[in-house]
Amino acid sequence: DGGITQSPKYLFRKEGQNVTLSCEQNLNHDAMYWYRQDPGQGLRLIYYSQIVNDFQKGDIAEGYSVSREKKESFPLTVTSAQKNPTAFYLCASSILGQVAEQYFGPGTRLTVT
Amino acid sequence: AQSVTQLDSQVPVFEEAPVELRCNYSSSVSVYLFWYVQYPNQGLQLLLKYLSGSTLVKGINGFEAEFNKSQTSFHLRKPSVHISDTAEYFCAVSRSGGSNYKLTFGKGTLLTVNP
Repeated sequence: DGGITQSPKYLFRKEGQNVTLSCEQNLNHDAMYWYRQDPGQGLRLIYYSQIVNDFQKGDIAEGYSVSREKKESFPLTVTSAQKNPTAFYLCASSILGQVAEQYFGPGTRLTVT
Repeated sequence: AQSVTQLDSQVPVFEEAPVELRCNYSSSVSVYLFWYVQYPNQGLQLLLKYLSGSTLVKGINGFEAEFNKSQTSFHLRKPSVHISDTAEYFCAVSRSGGSNYKLTFGKGTLLTVNP
């Protein structure tokens, strides 16, 4: 079955540590996205990528980094510079150049203490 | 740039009652509109979308929405809700045409269906 995989489902880290969240898709989509979700805030775009080896900052990129070395993979690193990293992180993908219908993964809940 | 306002953060209803979740958008260009549903601790699932044509759009699980360009609204409705409809619902907008790859989401409406 085609879809988006995010792992792990729950992640716990100590403050000051970098942590990388995994996102893999087998939908053959060109575009991939990372969102952060906080209660009552909706989804906010962190980074997006339209093609391998290229990505753009979204609305809240500070304290995050990404890479896009393969079409199917778009890992997100939450660095120690992110002041409030505890959140629910969602990865999505879409066909590029068409209607922006995005397909979402199940999410990773990151807790930093 | 586009923006989305979901007018109610929480909507409690009784089972089998009708429900309307309100969404207004702002944009200087033509848009596509979407409603997504999120069950607890899960990703988002597309309920329905408006691209063009008929302003009344039908989606999954018995939901429908009506695009009203003059009122810049895209309200979601269901004539009779079930307990299983309890979830958070997000309205989203994207620019139509061109590089229309970005979605702007509202803050969500938590629908709680009580027995």
